[in-house]
Amino acid sequence: DSGVTQTPKHLITATGQRVTLRCSPRSGDLSVYWYQQSLDQGLQFLIQYYNGEERAKGNILERFSAQQFPDLHSELNLSSLELGDSALYFCASSVGWTGGVGYGYTFGSGTRLTVV
Amino acid sequence: AQKVTQAQTEISVVEKEDVTLDCVYETRDTTYYLFWYKQPPSGELVFLIRRNSFDEQNEISGRYSWNFQKSTSSFNFTITASQVVDSAVYFCALTPYTGANSKLTFGKGITLSVRP
Repeated sequence: DSGVTQTPKHLITATGQRVTLRCSPRSGDLSVYWYQQSLDQGLQFLIQYYNGEERAKGNILERFSAQQFPDLHSELNLSSLELGDSALYFCASSVGWTGGVGYGYTFGSGTRLTVV
Repeated sequence: AQKVTQAQTEISVVEKEDVTLDCVYETRDTTYYLFWYKQPPSGELVFLIRRNSFDEQNEISGRYSWNFQKSTSSFNFTITASQVVDSAVYFCALTPYTGANSKLTFGKGITLSVRP
């Protein structure tokens, strides 16, 4: 167990629907990162939150949004889902605003989203 | 902009062979961190090593060793006496040491198959 908890582990939904992925960071970590892993794009950074505030944004679609709550857990909301959104979504956490300090990044086990 | 290139896409070896996974990176940052992660068939991302750009000392940990050469922007990973359990996808990744954007930039990954 890495200490980063992602739920659900698997999600199957239809096109056009909206889903929410949840991440609880490792105890003591203030940063949460979301990554998308798809066959064609590989591992892509989506967004980072640090202590409740958005810190960095990657190639995140406008249909996607995220937030980090006061208890530091984070949710990634995916709406108007398309077949191409099928992917493995990872959450990672780090103690600071960069994974370069401390012990680095810790990844959760991912949520596998299948859009049918 | 940062870039990580893993030119090898798939490697297949017989158990007990040594195997080296190559990683070449590009960055304009003077200080940065390099990582290797392993993704077994179960899908989670497992941290293997972090190396900062200040430290070019090579490292050995059990059957694993890493060769960091700043002059050639390479951070190669060697598994000695490979085992079937080493079969996985291996990712090299890069992040700046500081700065507003601390995302991990991943390579495309190398699929390693170790045959009995």
